[in-house]
Parts: sequence; C-alpha cells; structure tokens
Amino acid sequence: EAGVAQSPRYKIIEKRQSVAFWCNPISGHATLYWYQQILGQGPKLLIQFQNNGVVDDSQLPKDRFSAERLKGVDSTLKIQPAKLEDSAVYLCASSLVRRGGLAGLKQETQYFGPGTRLLVL
Amino acid sequence: AQKITQTQPGMFVQEKEAVTLDCTYDTSDQSYGLFWYKQPSSGEMIFLIYQGSYDEQNATEGRYSLNFQKARKSANLVISASQLGDSAMYFCAMRDRGGYQKVTFGTGTKLQVIP
Repeated sequence: EAGVAQSPRYKIIEKRQSVAFWCNPISGHATLYWYQQILGQGPKLLIQFQNNGVVDDSQLPKDRFSAERLKGVDSTLKIQPAKLEDSAVYLCASSLVRRGGLAGLKQETQYFGPGTRLLVL
Repeated sequence: AQKITQTQPGMFVQEKEAVTLDCTYDTSDQSYGLFWYKQPSSGEMIFLIYQGSYDEQNATEGRYSLNFQKARKSANLVISASQLGDSAMYFCAMRDRGGYQKVTFGTGTKLQVIP
C-alpha cells in the first residue's frame, strides 16, 4: 500500500514570496490533515479536511495561509506572502475515519508523509 | 481542552537496555485514543502504537509497549532491547471523540541510544 506522498521535499524562498505544497493521501482515506512543525516542537494542526470539506481550521493563519482539497483526494497548502516565522516542516497526514463505536478510534490512526522543509530567508 | 505533557526533553539509554518515555494527558472526555509516533532525523512521523481508553489490556507492538494508567492519566511508552536505530524524537498524541476527533501532540522526547 502506497503511503502519503508530499512534494516538494525542500523549498527555499525569500520573505513575501508565495509557495505551495502538495499532498496525496493514502487511497481511501477520507480525512486529510496539514500540520506545521517548527524546529524543536511537536506538530501543530493547521487544517483538517473530511473528504473535501473543512472541519477544523482554527489554527490556520487565514490572512496568509490557504488550503484546498478538490474532489476529496489531493490537497494543496499555500502561503502568500511568506514570513520568516513560517520556516518549518509542513507535514501532511491522512486517516481512515469511521464515526461511531469505540473500535473506530484505532481506525483513525494518522499516517504521515515525509514532509516539506520550508526555509524563508 | 486537551493537553499532552512530555516532561523529558532528552533521554539516553544503553543499547539492549529498556527505556520508558513518559506521557501524561488531560481530557474531560471518557472515550479517547492515545498514540505514539517516532520521528527520525529524516523528518517522517512513524506510527508506533495505539491505546484506546476502554482497552483493558496495555497495547503491545513488537518491542514497543504502552503502560496505560487511566486513573493517573498516563500513557508511557516502553521500548525493550533498545537498538541504535531507535535514536529519534518520540511524540505522544491524543485524539478525543468530540466533534471530528482533533489530535493534540506533546512536545516530544529525544532519545539517544548509546552503543
């Protein structure tokens, strides 16, 4: 079974430039997540999609970050314009969600892609 | 609100010895799941083990086991027979049943295995 794919793996840009990241989740996984992981910290959820709908974007800086998941499969995360503090690893994850029942929680294990390392100069 | 606490920023362990990584959590939900992930220097988050709040037995996956103490709200990861390849960051995470099951991560513990 193929894992979560992300591209690019590395990106260096100057502040005020724009950048976009792409994620392809595991086939059949309805839920997709974008996380920001700053060096030395745990991942912070930016946005969560259930199919092609947003279910949580409370920590997404909406003045500069945007994300979409057209057709409920691939997703893109965009930063426009970038700031120095956006330098981080951007992780995409997906999970097979089954609502209802205690046994469903294990099915909601998130599987992560390799991440995109962004450096803003 | 959910909270995950990992109090050990760094740990050392001798190769072939066992090590315990601490994790405590705070939630008002009765139904939740606890996860441990490994993050090598390459950056990818690797799922290790899962424990459900209603599971009566502690979870085990090969050399990994989870010491789950529900009353104390702790979910410590035990790695037996440490190997050099176990050197990495380890993150504890929790998902509750509210809404769309938001996941919260701890700050991580850096484990270094000494030959």
